[in-house]
Amino acid sequence: GAGVSQSPSNKVTEKGKDVELRCDPISGHTALYWYRQSLGQGLEFLIYFQGNSAPDKSGLPSDRFSAERTGGSVSTLTIQRTQQEDSAVYLCASSSYPISYEQYFGPGTRLTVT
Amino acid sequence: AQKITQTQPGMFVQEKEAVTLDCTYDTSDPSYGLFWYKQPSSGEMIFLIYQGSYDQQNATEGRYSLNFQKARKSANLVISASQLGDSAMYFCAMREGRGGTASKLTFGTGTRLQVTL
Repeated sequence: GAGVSQSPSNKVTEKGKDVELRCDPISGHTALYWYRQSLGQGLEFLIYFQGNSAPDKSGLPSDRFSAERTGGSVSTLTIQRTQQEDSAVYLCASSSYPISYEQYFGPGTRLTVT
Repeated sequence: AQKITQTQPGMFVQEKEAVTLDCTYDTSDPSYGLFWYKQPSSGEMIFLIYQGSYDQQNATEGRYSLNFQKARKSANLVISASQLGDSAMYFCAMREGRGGTASKLTFGTGTRLQVTL
């Protein structure tokens, strides 16, 4: 079956602009996660969705970051007023939790803020 | 303290040989799980293997096995019969606790494996 998909694969934006990153999880997976991978910080958790609600937003680095999930499926991560330190690869993962803890990742969106 | 420690930034192994990638973890929660992911140069994170803290036997998936030593808090990945396609970055990760909010992952810094002829 289809895996996790993310779009765009690459995004270059100017400092101060807003960006939206999209994640389409594996069909039927109720749990969805956003992570960020950067050279300085490694891989870090951002936010967890179960269905449409986000019980854990503890990894969002500032209030410029927000995310939503609609219909228990697609999720959008929005970064407002982007800064150069936001440059990273944003990875989305989904799992069938509580059936299984295994998380399956998408290919990521590489964000470059100039 | 680091929750996941991978002490080998880089490893070399000859094709067809076995290799062990080290991972130690730190948690006080009795319920946790350890994961290994492979990240080739293409960037995608590929799930390899999972071990729950209450699992009685070490996890195995094809050529991958997890050497789980609970008392030493280690969860080393063993790759048998290495192939050129195994060259990649390997990450160890952990989830802690029970419930959905405990399903998020904390990652180590990774080990880059190079398989040579």
